Amino acid sequence: KAGVTQTPRYLIKTRGQQVTLSCSPISGHRSVSWYQQTPGQGLQFLFEYFSETQRNKGNFPGRFSGRQFSNSRSEMNVSTLELGDSALYLCASSVTGGFQGEQYFGPGTRLTVT
Amino acid sequence: KNEVEQSPQNLTAQEGEFITINCSYSVGISALHWLQQHPGGGIVSLFMLSSGKKKHGRLIATINIQEKHSSLHITASHPRDSAVYICAVDGMEYGNKLVFGAGTILRVKS
Repeated sequence: KAGVTQTPRYLIKTRGQQVTLSCSPISGHRSVSWYQQTPGQGLQFLFEYFSETQRNKGNFPGRFSGRQFSNSRSEMNVSTLELGDSALYLCASSVTGGFQGEQYFGPGTRLTVT
Repeated sequence: KNEVEQSPQNLTAQEGEFITINCSYSVGISALHWLQQHPGGGIVSLFMLSSGKKKHGRLIATINIQEKHSSLHITASHPRDSAVYICAVDGMEYGNKLVFGAGTILRVKS
């Protein structure tokens, strides 16, 4: 079975631009969650989607948004990029919603904002 | 504020040593995850625990619900175990989302 894939793997953007990142979960997994990892703040939860519905959202500004499609693929969007948005963005998938099952992480997208 | 504390922050061991990494949390949880992150960023889930003890190869994870504490043990450590080990908890009092510890950087020298 193919693992979780994320595209693109690396991205360089300029302040004020917007960006869309994509995550394809393991086949049969209906839950996708997104995380931001920075040296200063570590790993932080962004949001979780299950069957196209956002179940939960972390403490991030409204510039961070996401969605999930009927095939469980998910995208996250960051608008009006700031230098502080430079980070590794990870997604994870699991069979069921919530976090009481094993989480399978993708390789991440490294975003640099200049 | 509900926090997750890991110790130690950094750990250097000689190959073959027994290693323990600790994780403490402040309120009741539904599950605790141990994750491994290698340089380059990829994260692998090692264990998910809600009670007791789990073992996989040279790795053992335990959790004490009453004391709100979990440990990850590595027996007969090897240089390939060098990585960042992160614990994360989930539960209603954590907002039903994963809340992460800061991680333990482990280096195993040959």
